[in-house]
Amino acid sequence: SQTIHQWPATLVQPVGSPLSLECTVEGTSNPNLYWYRQAAGRGLQLLFYSVGIGQISSEVPQNLSASRPQDRQFILSSKKLLLSDSGFYLCAWSLSAGRGGPVFGPGTRLTVT
Amino acid sequence: LAKTTQPISMDSYEGQEVNITCSHNNIATNDYITWYQQFPSQGPRFIIQGYKTKVTNEVASLFIPADRKSSTLSLPRVSLSDTAVYYCLVGEGGATNKLIFGTGTLLAVQP
Repeated sequence: SQTIHQWPATLVQPVGSPLSLECTVEGTSNPNLYWYRQAAGRGLQLLFYSVGIGQISSEVPQNLSASRPQDRQFILSSKKLLLSDSGFYLCAWSLSAGRGGPVFGPGTRLTVT
Repeated sequence: LAKTTQPISMDSYEGQEVNITCSHNNIATNDYITWYQQFPSQGPRFIIQGYKTKVTNEVASLFIPADRKSSTLSLPRVSLSDTAVYYCLVGEGGATNKLIFGTGTLLAVQP
């Protein structure tokens, strides 16, 4: 069966520090991968999605970036965090958009101080 | 862009049936409709998915009219533990790998 992992579960970082969040999927090949962010009390904002290794589409201009160095690995990064980057970051995978819906990981709670 | 519109919040009592409707006027031919449940500090959890007519599983039913421009999630006999945010998701038709969520509906179940 498929499993999605995210780490760390929680993270507290000072403003201006770098960020690296990792997501891996097991039990499937060539998944579509997604990064979402959820601010406190808000809905799910799509940040990036990827249909294959090295293929990244960005939805929202910001100081975040994403990379997909391996088929089942998706990394969210920032060179310098802002206070507004605080939130709940969720990685998800799907076999194809419009069918099967994405399956979400446990999420990372990021607090920028 | 297949945007979705849902009520921001709904109230119910234990044991009642709850129906949450989602509008998606620009749904594409190949798009499916998926509903999720989210509790605080957890990732959304899949509830049910459908393409047309009616789908039923052990926790919910999904009703989709012929024009597919809306869908209704039906939760039978809700309990306090069903208090959560419910999201409707439709695959984005133009660039089919986008999956954009609407604002969600906060369902509050009271005793």
